Amino acid sequence: QSVLTQPPSVSAAPGQRVTISCSGGNSNIGNDYVSWYQHLPGTAPKLLIYDNDKRPSGIPDRFSGSKSGTSATLGITGLQTGDEADYYCGTWDTSLSAWVFGGGTKLTVL
Amino acid sequence: QVQLQQSGPGLVKPSQTLSLTCAISGDSVSSNSVAWHWIRQSPSRGLEWLGRTYYRSKWYTDYAVSVKGRITINPDTSKNHFSLQLISVTPEDTAVYFCARCYSWHVDYWGQGILVTVSS
Repeated sequence: QSVLTQPPSVSAAPGQRVTISCSGGNSNIGNDYVSWYQHLPGTAPKLLIYDNDKRPSGIPDRFSGSKSGTSATLGITGLQTGDEADYYCGTWDTSLSAWVFGGGTKLTVL
Repeated sequence: QVQLQQSGPGLVKPSQTLSLTCAISGDSVSSNSVAWHWIRQSPSRGLEWLGRTYYRSKWYTDYAVSVKGRITINPDTSKNHFSLQLISVTPEDTAVYFCARCYSWHVDYWGQGILVTVSS
């Protein structure tokens, strides 16, 4: 079981909006910045969001992040078929002295 | 631009040692503002952090509990790379292995990934 909890899957139609939640605790999300990664099979994961809500250059503003207490959320608007991928949240856990990832959420664009 | 180039065998026999190397360009393994990580991905376990090494006046390492006792991550300043060794592997260690750079509190650069299969 992952330290960070994500829904196994989410789905929505093209053009719609979807959110992916990431729930943790005081030693991880509640204490550190959260980042989000997009992973397509056969490729390296891509950084989408860092420091809870910042986008690296080149990431469209359709992607957004937020954090409240011990939970974080990734939002994607204007869904495209190319957004179909696995999405992971990640942060440092001070109790474990370890980086922790969520279990991943598979996004299907119907 | 930082680039990470991984190398190592794609097939390892059970009970043997998995060894991978990550060559760094565009940054230094001795940089005191980043950390260098190994992460693996499998369909059953998703992304799994294995460990990191970093330099802050001296070298530090942290390892995941799931592989502690079997894992070693070593920096090599002469070659500007870092390595992963995982001993006593089993089929459960079959995964795509990534090296990565962590800046501040996020992983910003990844290696290309290497599929390592543990099988006789």
